[in-house]
Amino acid sequence: KNQVEQSPQSLIILEGKNCTLQCNYTVSPFSNLRWYKQDTGRGPVSLTIMTFSENTKSNGRYTATLDADTKQSSLHITASQLSDSASYICVVSAPYNNNDMRFGAGTRLTVKP
Amino acid sequence: GAGVSQSPSNKVTEKGKDVELRCDPISGHTALYWYRQSLGQGLEFLIYFQGNSAPDKSGLPSDRFSAERTGGSVSTLTIQRTQQEDSAVYLCASSRRGATRAEGGELFFGEGSRLTVL
Repeated sequence: KNQVEQSPQSLIILEGKNCTLQCNYTVSPFSNLRWYKQDTGRGPVSLTIMTFSENTKSNGRYTATLDADTKQSSLHITASQLSDSASYICVVSAPYNNNDMRFGAGTRLTVKP
Repeated sequence: GAGVSQSPSNKVTEKGKDVELRCDPISGHTALYWYRQSLGQGLEFLIYFQGNSAPDKSGLPSDRFSAERTGGSVSTLTIQRTQQEDSAVYLCASSRRGATRAEGGELFFGEGSRLTVL
């Protein structure tokens, strides 16, 4: 069973609307959680990073939240734009070694005009 | 260059042929990762290099897959006797330090090499 579960698998919204993507994880303990954006045909790019002591982190219209008690994170996108159409990947890192990262399968977001 | 560079961007090969995929990481980044991404799927870890340490090969799916990192910089992923199920995008990423450090360790990805095995 994947230790990082993302929902929904895909989402379609209209331009200008808000949306929230979910990430639930079982990795414990963990050192940080990142959200990456992957445009079609491109490599993922980091949007936000949060350590276990942080509750929220913003990057422009993107706001990530973290509840370390319930092991849940969300990525909220405000006033969506067509360029937000991409896959959003949640990555949870454990502090065991330099390669202990768990990737979610991603949420595919489509923003329509 | 400023980012992670991968080549070729696209490779079409026949079943049974060998292929080599190249990754040139960001200068100064000690950590280098290879991932595989099948159509519509998440990233699958393949192999990890950190400085001069022995690589973590735990993600390689079979002995047909191998990778080298020469001089702590450029890496080559080799797939021998390719099979149709090897068709995927192969992504390389580098990091200034191990990416699990609490202070960050952001992964910088290349654009990927799309492999199609006919």
